[in-house]
Amino acid sequence: AQKVTQAQTEISVVEKEDVTLDCVYETRDTTYYLFWYKQPPSGELVFLIRRNSFDEQNEISGRYSWNFQKSTSSFNFTITASQVVDSAVYFCALSEARNDYKLSFGAGTTVTVRA
Amino acid sequence: NAGVTQTPKFRILKIGQSMTLQCTQDMNHNYMYWYRQDPGMGLKLIYYSVGAGITDKGEVPNGYNVSRSTTEDFPLRLELAAPSQTSVYFCASCRGGGGEPQHFGDGTRLSIL
Repeated sequence: AQKVTQAQTEISVVEKEDVTLDCVYETRDTTYYLFWYKQPPSGELVFLIRRNSFDEQNEISGRYSWNFQKSTSSFNFTITASQVVDSAVYFCALSEARNDYKLSFGAGTTVTVRA
Repeated sequence: NAGVTQTPKFRILKIGQSMTLQCTQDMNHNYMYWYRQDPGMGLKLIYYSVGAGITDKGEVPNGYNVSRSTTEDFPLRLELAAPSQTSVYFCASCRGGGGEPQHFGDGTRLSIL
């Protein structure tokens, strides 16, 4: 069963628009971590954020913000005022204590920001 | 500040050939991982290691082998290359479990023809 679902395969926006990426996860564990990674066209994977299951505080980092809601098992990611450099594939991932904290990745969402 | 280094970056193999993908990290991380990424898919875990001398299978280990003789190195071996192993391979490392973020290499793009 898919543990992490990123329902949006591709999103295309015009520069300066906001874009929200959805991530829904499934776990029976009480201790887990959620991650977002960015994969730009150059191909490397860049760590963006980690959130643990005991901390539901939302987080903002510059134009990036994350909304973690345990009630809906979601960890959504918003890019405000998108820029062309935000064009990338974004992956959400889950790490569970009962799974030795191995990462389970979603299929990714491709974001294209047009000038 | 090298981080996680993978070699080679690109490789074309013929069916049935063997090769080793190299991965080394200079961060003294205990945990290391190998993933494959197929088009339109997320990363799938092949093998991982929690320390020198310890390896374990991930989600898709068939057709691969690994070893971990040192903390720094975690090579991935393909014994009999098959077209289904055409993929991009990523090596990653982290300090330990407990939700530590993994640091990834730049990947190896492998084609089996």
